[in-house]
Amino acid sequence: DIQMTQSPSSLSASVGDRVTITCQASQDISNYLNWYQQKPGQAPKLLIYDASNLQTGVPSRFSGSGSGTDFTFTITSLQPEDIATYYCQQYDNLIYTFGQGTKLEIK
Amino acid sequence: EVQLVQSGAEVKKPGESLKISCQASGYSFTSYWIGWVRQMPGKGLEWMGIIHPGNSDTRYSPSFQGQVTMSADKSISTAYVQWSSLKASDSAMYYCARVGLRAPDYWGQGSLVTVSS
Repeated sequence: DIQMTQSPSSLSASVGDRVTITCQASQDISNYLNWYQQKPGQAPKLLIYDASNLQTGVPSRFSGSGSGTDFTFTITSLQPEDIATYYCQQYDNLIYTFGQGTKLEIK
Repeated sequence: EVQLVQSGAEVKKPGESLKISCQASGYSFTSYWIGWVRQMPGKGLEWMGIIHPGNSDTRYSPSFQGQVTMSADKSISTAYVQWSSLKASDSAMYYCARVGLRAPDYWGQGSLVTVSS
């Protein structure tokens, strides 16, 4: 099974800061990597698919990059409404695996 | 508008059976896979498996193989996951999601399952 290692597990930042989360796969997954946002009490929301493609309706301050085993998720200017837990997710032959999550808080 | 509406909260005793549902609307139900995700209290997301409503092809994640059964009824655009004998450790929020070309893109609101004696 492909394992995903996401870091950091928690992060505190100020409004306007640039925030970066990383995700590492245990083997080459090409660009088969998605990023989700989950706010308390809500279902996850797809933000980025195929490593770098912004889902329709998602603000452009969110972005993703990477391929192979190393991936990065970035918020260019943190907004108060971005407080949430973020997850990476890989997919391989209809088996999906999530990272452990990064809880983002406002400093 | 694509919508996935899940069944309501359940409180069950250990050993009881349960079937929760996910009713889809706004798209061709038999053209997309449906995935299921578990989230235990205060924990992260876990992929349980995926079913194709068109032909009932089902793929379970290794951790959930043999623990749950996924099914779908095309006639009412509804997917299900069921347990034959619940354990306390099955207490969690369960989400269904439509799996688009590359990613689970639309999600249900979640079904909370509580298993307690």
